[in-house]
Amino acid sequence: AQSVTQLGSHVSVSEGALVLLRCNYSSSVPPYLFWYVQYPNQGLQLLLKYTSAATLVKGINGFEAEFKKSETSFHLTKPSAHMSDAAEYFCAVRRSGGYNKLIFGAGTRLAVHP
Amino acid sequence: DTAVSQTPKYLVTQMGNDKSIKCEQNLGHDTMYWYKQDSKKFLKIMFSYNNKELIINETVPNRFSPKSPDKAHLNLHINSLELGDSAVYFCASSQAGQGAYNEQFFGPGTRLTVL
Repeated sequence: AQSVTQLGSHVSVSEGALVLLRCNYSSSVPPYLFWYVQYPNQGLQLLLKYTSAATLVKGINGFEAEFKKSETSFHLTKPSAHMSDAAEYFCAVRRSGGYNKLIFGAGTRLAVHP
Repeated sequence: DTAVSQTPKYLVTQMGNDKSIKCEQNLGHDTMYWYKQDSKKFLKIMFSYNNKELIINETVPNRFSPKSPDKAHLNLHINSLELGDSAVYFCASSQAGQGAYNEQFFGPGTRLTVL
């Protein structure tokens, strides 16, 4: 069975600082991994996804994530935070076969302060 | 143009009532989903339909009944609403198949409050 753990339900950074949101996964088969962002009172938007083509994945809005099989991790980073990055971020996993069923982590709320 | 739309955006109702939430997608996808997001922001899949056929049915009370009249629509009907049903319900859609490129696109959500 697949599962996702996001370490840290709240992360606070200064504007311009590095953003690091942690995600560890558990999967018995090669996984597909995703990061979604949810702005207040909105739906989820895909930031990036890992599909085994490359371990370093670049997404929208300057975000990227690195798949590390040895650490079963898929942490999300951004070199310099903007105020507009304040949102809820969700890591999700699905198995590489079978139905398109996403298993989400509990989410991390990112706050960006001046 | 809105890709995945849901109506209503907000729904406030009394315990015991029956209500429906509608979802429509104009992306040409043939797979649609319902997710529930609880008060702690935890997201969990409830159902998925592929071309009007139910393919994912998680452990959800049978008071919840999805209906897909065609592949562009997936509605959620809830009978005998309970306080614990209060949540945000998200509809999503994607292409069918097992490929990772079948990204799920989410609607804006319906906030259901049961009093």
